[in-house]
Amino acid sequence: AQSVTQLDSHVSVSEGTPVLLRCNYSSSYSPSLFWYVQHPNKGLQLLLKYTSAATLVKGINGFEAEFKKSETSFHLTKPSAHMSDAAEYFCVVQNTGFQKLVFGTGTRLLVSP
Amino acid sequence: DTAVSQTPKYLVTQMGNDKSIKCEQNLGHDTMYWYKQDSKKFLKIMFSYNNKELIINETVPNRFSPKSPDKAHLNLHINSLELGDSAVYFCASSPNRGTRLGASGANVLTFGAGSRLTVL
Repeated sequence: AQSVTQLDSHVSVSEGTPVLLRCNYSSSYSPSLFWYVQHPNKGLQLLLKYTSAATLVKGINGFEAEFKKSETSFHLTKPSAHMSDAAEYFCVVQNTGFQKLVFGTGTRLLVSP
Repeated sequence: DTAVSQTPKYLVTQMGNDKSIKCEQNLGHDTMYWYKQDSKKFLKIMFSYNNKELIINETVPNRFSPKSPDKAHLNLHINSLELGDSAVYFCASSPNRGTRLGASGANVLTFGAGSRLTVL
């Protein structure tokens, strides 16, 4: 069965500094991987997805993630945090051929001025 | 235009009551889902319908009954509400059911804004 582990429940950064949100996955097959963002009292929005094409994936709002098979990781990064990035971030895995998404437990990103 | 819309956004009710949450998508997608997000923000799939056919039915109490009158709608009815049902329920839709992947090689879900259910 597939699963994801988000290594940090909270990450705090200052505005203008880099962001790193860590995610490790477990999958028997070649997975599709996603990052979703949830702003307070809002639904989930797709940031980016990896589907066995380029290992470095660029998403919206300056975020990107790199798929590393040897490390079974799919960490999310952004060079410079903005106050509006404060939200909950979910790493998600989906096995090829299956309908289900399996969510990580989420990482809350806090951005201070 | 909201792509995936859920109503109501907030629902407060007493234990033992029966309630429904409605979901509609205007994206022309074939597949719709219900996810439950608990107080710790953990999201878990409950049901999925593809063109009105039930394709995913996770282990949830049979007090929960999804209904899909057409492929653009997926409603969730909950009987005999319990305290533990308090959560945020998210509806989502996707172009396909996942077994026939899109050209991008992934089945991307579009989520609604959620319905917060509080059972007193």
